[in-house]
Amino acid sequence: AQKVTQAQTEISVVEKEDVTLDCVYETRDTTYYLFWYKQPPSGELVFLIRRNSFDEQNEISGRYSWNFQKSTSSFNFTITASQVVDSAVYFCALSGLNQGGKLIFGQGTELSVKP
Amino acid sequence: GAGVSQSPSNKVTEKGKDVELRCDPISGHTALYWYRQRLGQGLEFLIYFQGNSAPDKSGLPSDRFSAERTGESVSTLTIQRTQQEDSAVYLCASSLMKSLANTGELFFGEGSRLTVL
Repeated sequence: AQKVTQAQTEISVVEKEDVTLDCVYETRDTTYYLFWYKQPPSGELVFLIRRNSFDEQNEISGRYSWNFQKSTSSFNFTITASQVVDSAVYFCALSGLNQGGKLIFGQGTELSVKP
Repeated sequence: GAGVSQSPSNKVTEKGKDVELRCDPISGHTALYWYRQRLGQGLEFLIYFQGNSAPDKSGLPSDRFSAERTGESVSTLTIQRTQQEDSAVYLCASSLMKSLANTGELFFGEGSRLTVL
């Protein structure tokens, strides 16, 4: 069975702090895809990143970076120099090969960035 | 429109009534997904369509839930004899699936908030 665990339910930081959101996944597939989505207060989920299981290179996009480690089945997300606009619920998700793109989501981490 | 459109955005109904939720995917997107998000919780997969067939209905919680899709266009999620535990935001997403092996980005709508009194 596939499962995604985001152990941190809520995180609160002060603006300009760095923050890491944890994601641990379980799958028996050898090929799979990992995602992060952001859900701001407006409610619409916004795609942030997709990572293939065979590509373990870490990725950086502006203040966002992702650390993918197959050895620990983790796909953590770090926001550097957080801003108030980063406040949202962040979801990690997993999809297996030949599953039609169906995503299994974690429970989400609510990030609150205070000025 | 450019994005996934869902209607109604808000629906309040009485227990026992039927409701229909509509999703207009992004034009050209072959795959369409329905998810449910209860208050403060993650997204639960309900069903997905490839074209107008539904290869995976495994997430539908009971036989009161059903969904249809017309071609590669609009989908309707129907909940019969609604119960209070059906209260949630129902999210629709679409994806340009070139093949089952190509898991692309899902584009989500803003959701339909259902409240069952």
